[in-house]
Amino acid sequence: QKEVEQNSGPLSVPEGAIASLNCTYSDRGSQSFFWYRQYSGKSPELIMSIYSNGDKEDGRFTAQLNKASQYVSLLIRDSQPSDSATYLCAVNKSGGSYIPTFGRGTSLIVHP
Amino acid sequence: DTEVTQTPKHLVMGMTNKKSLKCEQHMGHRAMYWYKQKAKKPPELMFVYSYEKLSINESVPSRFSPECPNSSLLNLHLHALQPEDSALYLCASSQDSRGVETQYFGPGTRLLVL
Repeated sequence: QKEVEQNSGPLSVPEGAIASLNCTYSDRGSQSFFWYRQYSGKSPELIMSIYSNGDKEDGRFTAQLNKASQYVSLLIRDSQPSDSATYLCAVNKSGGSYIPTFGRGTSLIVHP
Repeated sequence: DTEVTQTPKHLVMGMTNKKSLKCEQHMGHRAMYWYKQKAKKPPELMFVYSYEKLSINESVPSRFSPECPNSSLLNLHLHALQPEDSALYLCASSQDSRGVETQYFGPGTRLLVL
């Protein structure tokens, strides 16, 4: 089992819809969870970080964390074509130096 | 200001060349990272510097040599690279390399080895 798993997609949604991106992780002791957005040929850009169970909202983005089920998700409301990108889930493992482990990323396409 | 800068943006080098990539941050972060990213793959950790000391080397070939001259600067010296080393090289920094700190990425250097 990979440490951080994401469906590679592509996930295709119409403009204005809710895009739901999911990520599961294997280390039950993980404490920090991050979503990055990466446009083609560009570097990752932090979208959200979440550390506690529940929801965290920031504008059109909502991160959801469920440590018991070991998953973290990102919801994008009112999706726009400019949201089309690869979304990387990163998880800081417990112990050691807490270097984040990245999932392979989910490609999101928002079509007009 | 959450900016990490990297130079150059693009680099083309032959297999016998020596070149260096540079990274700079002025956020007072004490951890800095080098990642390598191939197309359609996640970033792959290469090195971690914590308080200007190399703390992690992910079994990277010796043709890549990192250097941290001070707390704001991070270099990656390249020598005798192979075509398969062509990739996007990303620098990142965080407050520390422990706990919940967020990493901030630079724009990357696109490297092509001929």
